[in-house]
Amino acid sequence: GENVEQHPSTLSVQEGDSAVIKCTYSDSASNYFPWYKQELGKGPQLIIDIRSNVGEKKDQRIAVTLNKTAKHFSLHITETQPEDSAVYFCAAWDTGGFKTIFGAGTRLFVKA
Amino acid sequence: KAGVTQTPRYLIKTRGQQVTLSCSPISGHRSVSWYQQTPGQGLQFLFEYFSETQRNKGNFPGRFSGRQFSNSRSEMNVSTLELGDSALYLCASSLPDEETQYFGPGTRLLVL
Repeated sequence: GENVEQHPSTLSVQEGDSAVIKCTYSDSASNYFPWYKQELGKGPQLIIDIRSNVGEKKDQRIAVTLNKTAKHFSLHITETQPEDSAVYFCAAWDTGGFKTIFGAGTRLFVKA
Repeated sequence: KAGVTQTPRYLIKTRGQQVTLSCSPISGHRSVSWYQQTPGQGLQFLFEYFSETQRNKGNFPGRFSGRQFSNSRSEMNVSTLELGDSALYLCASSLPDEETQYFGPGTRLLVL
């Protein structure tokens, strides 16, 4: 079955800097990769997603890149702000299992 | 449009008891999935329902069960609670034939 690995587990950046979170997946058949942000006491919130027929997608300060050959995908946050501090999860959709497989999460700290 | 709602938000039970959690999906969403989130294991898939049918089940003991009603609302039940069942239980819903899952705020269960 699908397995998703995520790095780093913790990331601390200065306000205004960029943050990058990297993930790898194992199932070459996977074709949908969402990213979720989870704040304290809340459920995961979808922030951006990408499908395998696209190499990059941007939404304001957030971008995701996908390398199907290497089975890598990454989240890029530019001009980080204190409110970006949260846990971020990468994920891959398991088509046969009707489920999302999550990475272990990255705790992002943005220092003001 | 209202998001996914889960009740109750917090629950304290003792070992051996049973518990029922409820989830109301976003209007029009017919797929409902349940996930368990713990610090040690991360987000783990429990089961998925579509049109009142369980289409997939994760690697959890039979003490964990669920069901979906004709209005797409879902419940999950955990019988004979163990200390290790303490976790945040998340419900997610999606449109038919869509991979994108939207999560509720979760029910935090503490087993004493």
